[in-house]
Formats: sequence, structure tokens, C-alpha cells
Amino acid sequence: ETGVTQSPTHLIKTRGQQVTLRCSSQSGHNTVSWYQQALGQGPQFIFQYYREEENGRGNFPPRFSGLQFPNYSSELNVNALELDDSALYLCATGALSYEQYFGPGTRLTVT
Amino acid sequence: AQSVTQPDIHITVSEGASLELRCNYSYGATPYLFWYVQSPGQGLQLLLKYFSGDTLVQGIKGFEAEFKRSQSSFNLRKPSVHWSDAAEYFCAVGSMNTGFQKLVFGTGTRLLVSP
Repeated sequence: ETGVTQSPTHLIKTRGQQVTLRCSSQSGHNTVSWYQQALGQGPQFIFQYYREEENGRGNFPPRFSGLQFPNYSSELNVNALELDDSALYLCATGALSYEQYFGPGTRLTVT
Repeated sequence: AQSVTQPDIHITVSEGASLELRCNYSYGATPYLFWYVQSPGQGLQLLLKYFSGDTLVQGIKGFEAEFKRSQSSFNLRKPSVHWSDAAEYFCAVGSMNTGFQKLVFGTGTRLLVSP
């Protein structure tokens, strides 16, 4: 158990819609990173938040955005959903080090 | 740019046999290296990590990995595989960028364990 939880477990959305995924970590983990894992692939880095500010982003468009809250929870928002956004979304939390603890993920299906 | 290659997509090992999963990385500086395991429908569990020091690192569940700088490799090994080890294994390199860190993953190796 990593102490990192994600909700919901599964989600089905229609192309063009917007979605919000949630992550909650344990106390002391002041960074949160989000990764997208397409079927049969390794996770791809979306962005990282530290002290409620985005401090790094991978190769993802601006319609992927996030929030980090003082209570160690965070959100990933995706606007204008596309079919290729169907994936497992993983959050990982840590304390500004390479020790990152992953949640179980949210499986998003876009139809 | 940093990258990780896991050349084996699938590996089948008999229960009780030894296991070696290959990982090669590309990174300009001293890498931070990781192995994660993912069971079906689950998140990632850290098996072991290399930051510095002894190049043979021990992890959980009886796994170990050896960092070889000359070969840019970080192969995962286990002397005797159990049926419960069947899962997807990911090698990753930690990439230090200005102000943030990210993990760059390989495409994974699926381990099948036969009776």
C-alpha cells in the first residue's frame, strides 16, 4: 500500500466532453505527478505540481491541466476529450525526490 | 533526450527457474534507475532503485538489479520465479530537469510463469 488513492476507478466519456480525475496522497508528499499509460505502453509523464504550482510538463497539450491543493489532494482535468485520450491515468506523489509512490490509476475510456 | 529500452515484450519462465529482464537506458549524466511491477488493472509498485554506490541493488520480493555503466544497462534478476511474479515489469530512468523530476519509462516486459 502506497497511501495514494485515485478516483474514480473507471470512467466512460464521450468525445468532446471534459473530465476531472482525482488523487489523494499521504501527508508530507508535496509533489504530485500525473502519467498517462496507453494500452500496451509504459507511462508517459504529463506534468508535475509542487506547492500548488505546475513546475514541469511533458509533451501534452494545454487541454491537459491540473490543480494541487494544500491538503495533498490533486486533480487532472482534460478538456475536449479525444479518442486517443483513452488510457490509464496514474498519479504519483513524493517529497521532491525520485521516490515516487503511485496510485492504482483511473481507467478512462473515450467513445 | 532520455530513453529506456526493454527489448523483450514477453518472456515466459517456468516456475522455480531464474529470471533476467533486460533494460538499457540513454541518459547523459549519472542516471537514477528504477524497476516497477504492475499487476493487471493495478498501479505501479516500486521493486528497487539505484541512485549511487553499490551497483548491485536488492529490492523487494527477492529481486535484484545490477547497474552497468559501460553497457548502459540495469537488468532485473530473480533466482527463482514464483507464479505470483507474473505481471508487467517496467524499467525507468529519473530525469532531472530544471525544478522538477520526471520518470521516463520503457514499454515494459510481460512476464508469464508456466507451471
